[in-house]
Amino acid sequence: AQKVTQAQTEISVVEKEDVTLDCVYETRDTTYYLFWYKQPPSGELVFLIRRNSFDEQNEISGRYSWNFQKSTSSFNFTITASQVVDSAVYFCALSEADSNYQLIWGAGTKLIIKP
Amino acid sequence: DTEVTQTPKHLVMGMTNKKSLKCEQHMGHRAMYWYKQKAKKPPELMFVYSYEKLSINESVPSRFSPECPNSSLLNLHLHALQPEDSALYLCASSDIGGRRGNTIYFGEGSWLTVV
Repeated sequence: AQKVTQAQTEISVVEKEDVTLDCVYETRDTTYYLFWYKQPPSGELVFLIRRNSFDEQNEISGRYSWNFQKSTSSFNFTITASQVVDSAVYFCALSEADSNYQLIWGAGTKLIIKP
Repeated sequence: DTEVTQTPKHLVMGMTNKKSLKCEQHMGHRAMYWYKQKAKKPPELMFVYSYEKLSINESVPSRFSPECPNSSLLNLHLHALQPEDSALYLCASSDIGGRRGNTIYFGEGSWLTVV
């Protein structure tokens, strides 16, 4: 069965610290897609990254980086030198090739960055 | 800035009222979605329109009635709601076709309170 697990319910760090958000997924498909979204208190879900199952290259975008490892079924997200504006709930999600339109969501991790 | 716009941002309605949530996307996408999100939970899919036709209804009660007037507009008509329907309602859109796992882009959401 397909499933996404974000075991960290809430993380609190002091500004400028690095922080890693964990995401572990389960799927039987060989073709699938993984996503990260950010949801600040305002409510909007902001797309951060999409990764397909054939591309295990890690990605870096500014202070954000993603580590995709099929061997451990993980797609972890690291924020370097965190800032107060990074405070939000972060969701990891899975889309399988045969289930168009459907996203399987993790429970989300609330990240609090203290000044 | 988001290219999926939703109105109103906040709505308070009585249980006997009729109201509508509106959504417009400016990305030329042919799939549009309504999600419902309760506090501290991931979004739950309600409806999907594909090429302006309803393709997914996740067993949503009939007091929620979606409408897709054209490829860029999506409405959610609300009637005789219950207090437990209070939530954040998110509109979203995505490409369709050939490429599975298309990224879903979300609007800012409409915060609904039923009194």
